[in-house]
Amino acid sequence: EPEVTQTPSHQVTQMGQEVILRCVPISNHLYFYWYRQILGQKVEFLVSFYNNEISEKSEIFDDQFSVERPDGSNFTLKIRSTKLEDSAMYFCASSGSLASRDEQFFGPGTRLTVL
Amino acid sequence: GENVEQHPSTLSVQEGDSAVIKCTYSDSASNYFPWYKQELGKGPQLIIDIRSNVGEKKDQRIAVTLNKTAKHFSLHITETQPEDSAVYFCAASLNYGGSQGNLIFGKGTKLSVKP
Repeated sequence: EPEVTQTPSHQVTQMGQEVILRCVPISNHLYFYWYRQILGQKVEFLVSFYNNEISEKSEIFDDQFSVERPDGSNFTLKIRSTKLEDSAMYFCASSGSLASRDEQFFGPGTRLTVL
Repeated sequence: GENVEQHPSTLSVQEGDSAVIKCTYSDSASNYFPWYKQELGKGPQLIIDIRSNVGEKKDQRIAVTLNKTAKHFSLHITETQPEDSAVYFCAASLNYGGSQGNLIFGKGTKLSVKP
C-alpha cells in the first residue's frame, strides 16, 4: 500500500540554524500539507500546497518557513532560523487522488529538537 | 475560523465495552469530518470519515455519526480490544470542488482499553 515517507525521523539542531525536513508524498496525490504537533498537544495546520504554489497557510507559517517541491517526488519544509519553540513533531500529508479526493494520509513524522 | 472541541480528553474502558468520543465544530460550512488514530511515535492514521451529506457511517466495529444541525459528530467503537488503545483525533475541513481544505483537529482523546 502506498504511503507518505519522511526523513529524517529525528533532527537535532542549534537555535538559529536552518533545517530542511523532507517528505515523499503518495505518488498520484495532488495536494500536500505540513502539520506540526507540539508534545502532548493537538495537530496544527501549517501550510497546504497545490499546483506548485501555496494554497493556504496558518499564522504559524511566518517568514521563517518556506515549502518547496524541488522535483516530481519530494516536498520540503525549510525553517530558516530555528527557535526553541519550533521543537515539535512535523507531519507531512498528501491527498487528492482521483479515487479519494478528501482523505489526507500522514507520514510518520520528523521530530525536531531545537537546543 | 473553524474551531473543533473534543471530549473526553481521556477515556478508560474494559475490553469488550463500547467507547464514545464526541466532537463539536463551529463553522457550519465544514463538510468533511475524519477521525484519526495515533499510536505512540507514529503519525495519525485515518480510520473513518464522514461527509456532511451523510448522517452515519459504519466500518466493522467503528461508526461515526454526524448531526449537522447541532454541529457535532461522534466516534463509536464497539467490542473494544487492547489494540484500540491510542490517541484519537477528530478533525473538520471544508472541501469543495477541486479545493482541499486544511484539517482543523480536536485536542485528542487518549483511549485505554484494559484487558
